[in-house]
Amino acid sequence: DGGITQSPKYLFRKEGQNVTLSCEQNLNHDAMYWYRQDPGQGLRLIYYSQIVNDFQKGDIAEGYSVSREKKESFPLTVTSAQKNPTAFYLCASNSRLTGATDTQYFGPGTRLTVL
Amino acid sequence: EDKVVQSPLSLVVHEGDTVTLNCSYEVTNFRSLLWYKQEKKAPTFLFMLTSSGIEKKSGRLSSILDKKELFSILNITATQTGDSAVYLCAVANNAGNMLTFGGGTRLMVKP
Repeated sequence: DGGITQSPKYLFRKEGQNVTLSCEQNLNHDAMYWYRQDPGQGLRLIYYSQIVNDFQKGDIAEGYSVSREKKESFPLTVTSAQKNPTAFYLCASNSRLTGATDTQYFGPGTRLTVL
Repeated sequence: EDKVVQSPLSLVVHEGDTVTLNCSYEVTNFRSLLWYKQEKKAPTFLFMLTSSGIEKKSGRLSSILDKKELFSILNITATQTGDSAVYLCAVANNAGNMLTFGGGTRLMVKP
């Protein structure tokens, strides 16, 4: 089945620890994105990548890092520098084909809780 | 800075009612506006609108864009409990592939 997978579904972290959230897609999409969603809020962009080995900061990149070594994978690391990391994290991807660039498709999300 | 505002924040209706959700935006070099439905996890795509005045329709859901007044509405007729969700509006500009999301409208449909 084609789609976007995220793991784990739930993640608990102690303060001061780094954690890495996985995002994989088999849609052959060029662009991938990480968003954060807080309760009752919309989505805020953390990082995005339009091609392999390149990525850009979004609106709230501080305390996060990413890599894009393969087209299919875009892992997000939440570092100890992120002051309030408890949130729901969504990964998305889209195609760069003309006429299809705006519609992003989302994974099921990872809920991160810092204890 | 691009900005998207959705209203109302939340809405409670009964099955069979018709609802209208609003999305207003301020975007430099607007390209498109998208609506998503988010139940418990991943937002699922509903509509993408690029032209004013052309209604997009899918079953009981429809949406229209007004590029002069900078807003869009999402209508749901004959609501069902399965329509209960958060509805997200997002806009894309010509600068890149990014979307700017509104805060969402939480719809609850009671039996």
